[in-house]
Amino acid sequence: SQQGEEDPQALSIQEGENATMNCSYKTSINNLQWYRQNSGRGLVHLILIRSNEREKHSGRLRVTLDTSKKSSSLLITASRAADTASYFCATDWVSGYSTLTFGKGTMLLVSP
Amino acid sequence: EAGVAQSPRYKIIEKRQSVAFWCNPISGHATLYWYQQILGQGPKLLIQFQNNGVVDDSQLPKDRFSAERLKGVDSTLKIQPAKLEDSAVYLCASSLESGRREHYEQYFGPGTRLTVT
Repeated sequence: SQQGEEDPQALSIQEGENATMNCSYKTSINNLQWYRQNSGRGLVHLILIRSNEREKHSGRLRVTLDTSKKSSSLLITASRAADTASYFCATDWVSGYSTLTFGKGTMLLVSP
Repeated sequence: EAGVAQSPRYKIIEKRQSVAFWCNPISGHATLYWYQQILGQGPKLLIQFQNNGVVDDSQLPKDRFSAERLKGVDSTLKIQPAKLEDSAVYLCASSLESGRREHYEQYFGPGTRLTVT
């Protein structure tokens, strides 16, 4: 079964609005990563947050991590039509070696 | 810097036929991954190589899927015989290093879209 579950499954907003996606997971993790996938550029890494970090920023992206609740959120501020894509969280969870497990993703549609 | 290369980009085969996918990772990346992504789902790891050794193949259907990484660089994923449920996009990714409970970002190739009829 997949480790991370994103919420909502789909999100539709207007350009300039903020978009928030959430990810919940089940077991302890080493780090959590967010990826974006669209037809033009394929699957691309956005940001990595380690288990001992609570918040991280990268440009218009803000990621938070709450290990006590086993959840993370991705905030995209001032969204653009080019942000239209599926967003996946991927957890690197504690095991004998490091490996990533992806959730099912949130499909974001940003309308002009 | 050249990205992860995959070929072919598309493949249509009939069930029970065999198919092979090729991946060339980013130069210097020790870890190579093969994922299966079914429509509407996230990528599922099939196999992970560290150099030319297998680190994780727990979700690889070994009765029909096989993979190898020659000389720790290029990799080939094979399906024989294919089933209808194998229709998916097969993604190859590479990362600089995986180990010591630390994980570097993964760089993905464009994928191969497989349709089994």
